[in-house]
Amino acid sequence: QLQLQESGPGLVKPSETLSLTCTVSGGSINSTIHHWGWTRQSPGKGLEWIGSIFYSGDVHQNPPLKSRFTISKDTSRNQFSLRLYSVTASDTAVYYCVRLRSGYLVDWGQGTLVTVSS
Amino acid sequence: EIVLTQSPATLSLSPGERATLSCRASQSINYYLAWYQQRPGQAPRLLIYDASNRATGIPARFSGSGSGTDFTLTISSLEPEDFAVYYCQQRTNLAPFGGGTKVEI
Repeated sequence: QLQLQESGPGLVKPSETLSLTCTVSGGSINSTIHHWGWTRQSPGKGLEWIGSIFYSGDVHQNPPLKSRFTISKDTSRNQFSLRLYSVTASDTAVYYCVRLRSGYLVDWGQGTLVTVSS
Repeated sequence: EIVLTQSPATLSLSPGERATLSCRASQSINYYLAWYQQRPGQAPRLLIYDASNRATGIPARFSGSGSGTDFTLTISSLEPEDFAVYYCQQRTNLAPFGGGTKVEI
């Protein structure tokens, strides 16, 4: 059974870089049929798509955020990561790592709350 | 950019009643639409994909329909655990979501 687990700091200062890692168990990020991605949800708000990475290393990005984040993967550790640069209070959210198949988010991590505050 | 508009924002119903949720796309997305359920304090879970296919383990009381720009999620008889927020999502433009419909008692 696939499990996704987010990890990273719960508190980040404004203008700094947010770094999160998703550890995958029960499946391989080298899968040729899945993308691995990130979605976030600000407190009391809806879902916002961030982006995803494929086994080939191709990255798909949500255009409004495109210039501020990178997604990478470490196949040796079966992990993928998100880096969000120059964060502001509006980046405070629960961040979910997800596995996608055919463009749908079929598996979700439990989510991790990241607060941007000085 | 394809925009998904969900209605109503809130649906007030009782257990045993039928729920009908709508999702409208700003342009045709064929049948490339999914529905997710999010219970309080939990991550969302996939209910329906490709407009009408139930995901693994999803009860038969959940059904989806529609194509093009208009889609519907129907819960035939609400169970207590179905009171939650529901999101639609389209896959043709890399996964943006609708704003959600809250189904409340």
